[in-house]
Amino acid sequence: AQKITQTQPGMFVQEKEAVTLDCTYDTSDQSYGLFWYKQPSSGEMIFLIYQGSYDEQNATEGRYSLNFQKARKSANLVISASQLGDSAMYFCAMREGRSGNTGKLIFGQGTTLQVKP
Amino acid sequence: GAGVSQSPSNKVTEKGKDVELRCDPISGHTALYWYRQSLGQGLEFLIYFQGNSAPDKSGLPSDRFSAERTGGSVSTLTIQRTQQEDSAVYLCASSSGGSKNIQYFGAGTRLSVL
Repeated sequence: AQKITQTQPGMFVQEKEAVTLDCTYDTSDQSYGLFWYKQPSSGEMIFLIYQGSYDEQNATEGRYSLNFQKARKSANLVISASQLGDSAMYFCAMREGRSGNTGKLIFGQGTTLQVKP
Repeated sequence: GAGVSQSPSNKVTEKGKDVELRCDPISGHTALYWYRQSLGQGLEFLIYFQGNSAPDKSGLPSDRFSAERTGGSVSTLTIQRTQQEDSAVYLCASSSGGSKNIQYFGAGTRLSVL
């Protein structure tokens, strides 16, 4: 059964340093998409980055990059040069199948990141 | 353009009452999703609408939950005879499809059932 695991309930990082948030997934599907979302205390889920299962390059979006290791079924989020505004809950999510399917997302339990000044 | 809009942002109700939660998706997005976020269960898929197709209701937890999407745009999630375990944040998302099919979320409705 499909599953997303985030093993770090909470993380601390010093401002301006890099941090890696772990995510592993389980699926029997060959085609899937992996997403990271940020949820600040305001509650809105903000899309950060996407990685397709067939993408050969790791995805990058500004200070965010996704360390995709397909054989290990891991999709870790790397945030470089952390900022105080990065303090939030981060969710890893997976969508199975091709875009023509429902596209519903399965989420991990989340990691709370606190950036220290 | 405007993002996904949800109303109300907060709703307090008494056990046994019915509630309606509204979602206004991003203009032009054909797909609309409802999720529920609660402390014990994390984020769970509830229901999915795509254009004029029959919705995927596989995530609705009981027959007290229903949703509709009028004119392919605004959606309403209705919970009848609310129970305390229905207390959660209800999140709506929309997407335009495509190869990535990225879902964009609203700020959610926090429902508290007393």
